[in-house]
Amino acid sequence: DAKTTQPNSMESNEEEPVHLPCNHSTISGTDYIHWYRQLPSQGPEYVIHGLTSNVNNRMASLAIAEDRKSSTLILHRATLRDAAVYYCIREAPGTYKYIFGTGTRLKVLA
Amino acid sequence: NAGVTQTPKFRVLKTGQSMTLLCAQDMNHEYMYWYRQDPGMGLRLIHYSVGEGTTAKGEVPDGYNVSRLKKQNFLLGLESAAPSQTSVYFCASSRSGQRSQPQHFGDGTRLSIL
Repeated sequence: DAKTTQPNSMESNEEEPVHLPCNHSTISGTDYIHWYRQLPSQGPEYVIHGLTSNVNNRMASLAIAEDRKSSTLILHRATLRDAAVYYCIREAPGTYKYIFGTGTRLKVLA
Repeated sequence: NAGVTQTPKFRVLKTGQSMTLLCAQDMNHEYMYWYRQDPGMGLRLIHYSVGEGTTAKGEVPDGYNVSRLKKQNFLLGLESAAPSQTSVYFCASSRSGQRSQPQHFGDGTRLSIL
């Protein structure tokens, strides 16, 4: 059964980097890896996605292990507004189906 | 630009009642999705649509029906509501394309079945 596992919760100090891990040991060679975050009473918000190589955008960086069995979302400088539940998601190409992990609740300390 | 709008935001139903949740998007996206989110869990796909007039089953389709009569609207129906359908329902949309496209989510409909 396709499964992604994430730590239930993590804490970070404001303005420090945060590394959020995700294990997807059963991922196939063509599955995309997405990261979304969800604030209370809101829908998930896109953060970043990738396939094989590391990716960067204005919000974050995504580091994908060479064997693709794990990935790490990197927030370079955490702010209080980054406090949210972060979901690691697999998407098999052409299926339009997101398989959500259980999420990591990130707490940012001032 | 409203993005994805869901109505209603909250609803309480009695077991056996029926209702329809409406999702509207103004981004001209081809693909639309319905998910449910139970406490402490990630979202699970109920049904999705890759274009006007087409729908397909997702991971947890039982007890739900959908329709996509217009490109901008995707309706989720519960014919006979059950307490197990108490959940938060999210609609999303995305562009089509060969490469994976981000999904844009609405803010959810909180549904309680008594």
